[in-house]
This record gives sequence, structure tokens and C-alpha cells, in this order.
Amino acid sequence: DTGVSQDPRHKITKRGQNVTFRCDPISEHNRLYWYRQTLGQGPEFLTYFQNEAQLEKSRLLSDRFSAERPKGSFSTLEIQRTEQGDSAMYLCASSFTSGRSYEQYFGPGTRLTVT
Amino acid sequence: QKEVEQNSGPLSVPEGAIASLNCTYSDRGSQSFFWYRQYSGKSPELIMFIYSNGDKEDGRFTAQLNKASQYVSLLIRDSQPSDSATYLCAGYSGAGSYQLTFGKGTKLSVIP
Repeated sequence: DTGVSQDPRHKITKRGQNVTFRCDPISEHNRLYWYRQTLGQGPEFLTYFQNEAQLEKSRLLSDRFSAERPKGSFSTLEIQRTEQGDSAMYLCASSFTSGRSYEQYFGPGTRLTVT
Repeated sequence: QKEVEQNSGPLSVPEGAIASLNCTYSDRGSQSFFWYRQYSGKSPELIMFIYSNGDKEDGRFTAQLNKASQYVSLLIRDSQPSDSATYLCAGYSGAGSYQLTFGKGTKLSVIP
């Protein structure tokens, strides 16, 4: 059983450029989540999908951020017109929908640096 | 606003001792709680979850939940230097929301 994978692991970009990150969840999981984590803080929720439907979005997810999960498998997170404040670790997690506790398992993350 | 509070530490314990990590939460609707371990530069790793009042044990780890006091804790017995990491507490509010709200984490150092 492979875990959650994310690509790329590191991304350095210049301010104003667009970036796209990919997440592949654990294969049996149909919920997929995106979080952002900055130094010294816990992860902050951005959005989540159940299958291909985006069911919840944080107000942190400005109109420069968009996420998709077109076939209910992998997901992409795009940031347009990046700003230095977007520098963070972007984490993807996945979980089952059944059961009581819905524990989420995280991928290795994509570290974004905006220069 | 839903909040999860943790003492940022650092918490230092000698090798072999019990480490006690604490977390409080503001949302009385919160139902399930999770403890993640995060090594520096790495992503969070799930180590325990609990949704019923009382204790839950898994190896050297014991999670405790007191919903009346809105308090969650994690005990690590026989602490090892490899347990040195930041421990993140997180909760679900339930009611159809599946986002986790995290605390800022407590940094634990186990001194050999």
C-alpha cells in the first residue's frame, strides 16, 4: 500500500508566476484535502474533495488559488500570480468516507518558495 | 472561530521518562481528535486518534479525551530520543465539516 504522494517536492518560483502542484491520494481513499503550513504554525485547511466534488473551501483560498480533482483520483492545486506570502509547505492528505474518525494521512508536501 | 490551543514548548524530558502533551479546544461540537508527529522539515505523521471520552492506548502512546473540559492529551511512556519532534493536536468539528483544525504544535526534546 503506497501512501499519499506529491509532486514536486520543492518549487522555487518568481513572484507573479503561476505554479501547479499534484497530489495522488492513497488508492482506496475517496476524500482528498489540501492544507498549507508556514513555519511555526500548524497546517491550515484550504479545501477538500469527495470523489471529484469540491465540498468545502476555506476563505484562505483566495481567487488566485484553484483546485481540481477531475476524475476523483489525483488532484491539482494551482496558484496564479504568486506572491511572497504564498511561500509555505503545501500538504495533501486523504481519508476514507466510512468509519467514525476519518483519519487523514498526509503526503510529504510541496515546499514553495516565492522569490 | 474554532481554535485548538497547545503549549508551544519546548518540552524537555529525560530519556525513559513520561512526556505529557496537552491540548484544549474551543468548539464543543468537536468530536474526533488526532495527534500527529512532525519531524523538522517533514510532513505530519498520524500517531493516535480518539473520539470517545477516556483513554486510548497504543504501544507507548496513550491519548486521553475529556469532552466536558474540552481537553485532549497525549502521554508518551519510556520516551526515546527518536520521539523528539513537534506534536500537533487536531480536531474535527463534525456536523458535516471534514476540515481538521490544528494547534501550533508542541516541540518535544528527549534528552539522552
